[in-house]
Amino acid sequence: QVQLVQSGAEVEKPGASVKVSCKASGYTFTSYYMHWVRQAPGQGLEWMGIIYPGGGGTSYPQKFQGRITMTRDTSTSTVYMELNSLRSEDTAVYYCARDTNNWSFDNWGQGTLVTVSS
Amino acid sequence: QSALTQPASVSGSPGQSITISCTGTSSDIGGYNYVSWYQQHPGKAPKLMIQDVSNRPSGVSNRFSGSKSGNTASLTISGLQAEDEADYYCSSYTSTSTWVFGGGTKLTVL
Repeated sequence: QVQLVQSGAEVEKPGASVKVSCKASGYTFTSYYMHWVRQAPGQGLEWMGIIYPGGGGTSYPQKFQGRITMTRDTSTSTVYMELNSLRSEDTAVYYCARDTNNWSFDNWGQGTLVTVSS
Repeated sequence: QSALTQPASVSGSPGQSITISCTGTSSDIGGYNYVSWYQQHPGKAPKLMIQDVSNRPSGVSNRFSGSKSGNTASLTISGLQAEDEADYYCSSYTSTSTWVFGGGTKLTVL
């Protein structure tokens, strides 16, 4: 069965960077796009970007451009999301979510809490 | 890209039907049949309930159905059950090759 297992919770200071991993199993890693979505405490879902593990291509919304980098390691079936210049508003649970290949998200990681605090 | 508009809350009694609306623009919901709906229980990851406007993934109850008219999509849950109490989010692909979510709707089963 499809499984997405994310790295553990992080606490970072303002201005620092964080890198969250998402290890995939149970399917052909390079055949499905992967998204990153975050959820601030008590708030809704926010789309952060997409990566195609097959070729490494990425796309980010304007809000995060210049501050976010998504990468993948095909040897370990893992995708990574790095967010720089962290501020308190980046405190959130970060999810990876596999695309259905028809632009919806059918499998989600368990979430990684990132806390930004001085 | 602005968030899609959902009611903050809806409620219904067991056995009843409820509908949650999701309003966007011609650049997202109105322009594509890539509308999806997610259920999220507290402390859990979202779960895909409806994809491509009206298609249920395998394993999702047929009490859940989706539709779209113009720039507004809707999720209907019939035969409400206690376990349906959760937050629900709509999402759409957009003309700028991005994705946008609704603000979320809290469903209370009375």
